[in-house]
Amino acid sequence: DAGVIQSPRHEVTEMGQEVTLRCKPISGHNSLFWYRQTMMRGLELLIYFNNNVPIDDSGMPEDRFSAKMPNASFSTLKIQPSEPRDSAVYFCASSWSSDPFADEQFFGPGTRLTVL
Amino acid sequence: TQLLEQSPQFLSIQEGENLTVYCNSSSVFSSLQWYRQEPGEGPVLLVTVVTGGEVKKLKRLTFQFGDARKDSSLHITAAQPGDTGLYLCAGSGAGSYQLTFGKGTKLSVIP
Repeated sequence: DAGVIQSPRHEVTEMGQEVTLRCKPISGHNSLFWYRQTMMRGLELLIYFNNNVPIDDSGMPEDRFSAKMPNASFSTLKIQPSEPRDSAVYFCASSWSSDPFADEQFFGPGTRLTVL
Repeated sequence: TQLLEQSPQFLSIQEGENLTVYCNSSSVFSSLQWYRQEPGEGPVLLVTVVTGGEVKKLKRLTFQFGDARKDSSLHITAAQPGDTGLYLCAGSGAGSYQLTFGKGTKLSVIP
């Protein structure tokens, strides 16, 4: 079975450019999560969706970040304009429900973003 | 914001040794999870503990949730090179589905 698929796996861009990260959740899962991992701050939840609807975006750092889920099999995280402090590994995870203690979250391999 | 402190930050041991890593908070967590993350991959769930004082065993790994639900430990017996990775604890408060992660303990088991 295919797990969570993320693309690209690596992205290097220059400050000010738009960056779009993509995620395909596990088929049938109803919840999708975007996380960011850095050495300084660890793994942080940015936003999560339930049935394609954004439920909690309180972790999105600022207006430069936006996320969409146009259908059950695809989500994007966009950064515009990008800044060097956005450099991190971005993970997408999916689950049957948004309760992490009822249903396991399955993480993708991540996208390593470097903003020069 | 609930914070989880993990210690030690780094641990390097020889194959066959035992080790314990810790996860502590000043806040009470309704439940707590442990994950292992290998380089270039996402975290993978190892265990969920929900009851204060609970102990769970997964082969050579023993997980304990503190009585006050503010701390947890992971003990590995006879560590193997395959145990190498970043061990993360994560919890959420009452009524919240949002996971708060610790920064992790990076374990290296030397053959």
